[in-house]
Amino acid sequence: IAGITQAPTSQILAAGRRMTLRCTQDMRHNAMYWYRQDLGLGLRLIHYSNTAGTTGKGEVPDGYSVSRANTDDFPLTLASAVPSQTSVYFCASSDLGKDTQYFGPGTRLTVL
Amino acid sequence: DQQVKQNSPSLSVQEGRISILNCDYTNSMFDYFLWYKKYPAEGPTFLISISSIKDKNEDGRFTVFLNKSAKHLSLHIVPSQPGDSAVYFCAAPTYAGGTSYGKLTFGQGTILTVHP
Repeated sequence: IAGITQAPTSQILAAGRRMTLRCTQDMRHNAMYWYRQDLGLGLRLIHYSNTAGTTGKGEVPDGYSVSRANTDDFPLTLASAVPSQTSVYFCASSDLGKDTQYFGPGTRLTVL
Repeated sequence: DQQVKQNSPSLSVQEGRISILNCDYTNSMFDYFLWYKKYPAEGPTFLISISSIKDKNEDGRFTVFLNKSAKHLSLHIVPSQPGDSAVYFCAAPTYAGGTSYGKLTFGQGTILTVHP
């Protein structure tokens, strides 16, 4: 069982370009989340999805969009990347009624 | 507004000694807390949790203490081992609209280094 996979592992991107970070889980969890980790700020929630077909905004949603077409996949899209979006991005999932979230290995994104 | 705060960016301890990592919170509605551990180039992994109906939860070398009146929790690691060197995050879930899914609010993290 892989748990949560993320792709790519790392990416260097020119400002203004579009980028989609991929996230797939095989645990059949209903809820999925996207966080960014920045030094001194911990992990901050970008967007979340409680179940397939629904999404919601987290603490720092501006400049990002998500979709949840099925249970397993939860891609995060940066429509026009800016340098302030340089960060490490983590996808996570949790089961119904459970607070414990399981995290993927992360994607390190650098926007130049 | 940082609702969950870890005011010590780093902590260095000797192998075999106790490590104490601290976390403060401001939201009195928080009633459940989690600690996550993160190694470099890996995602955070769940370590231990505590409900507000308890003041202590123990799992092997790891114990979490909760002081609700002070809005403070701490993670004790005894004895500390070099493999415990990692970043530790405390987190608390919040719920909106009656959903069963808690959105986690994380502290800034504390880098623990355990020296052999």
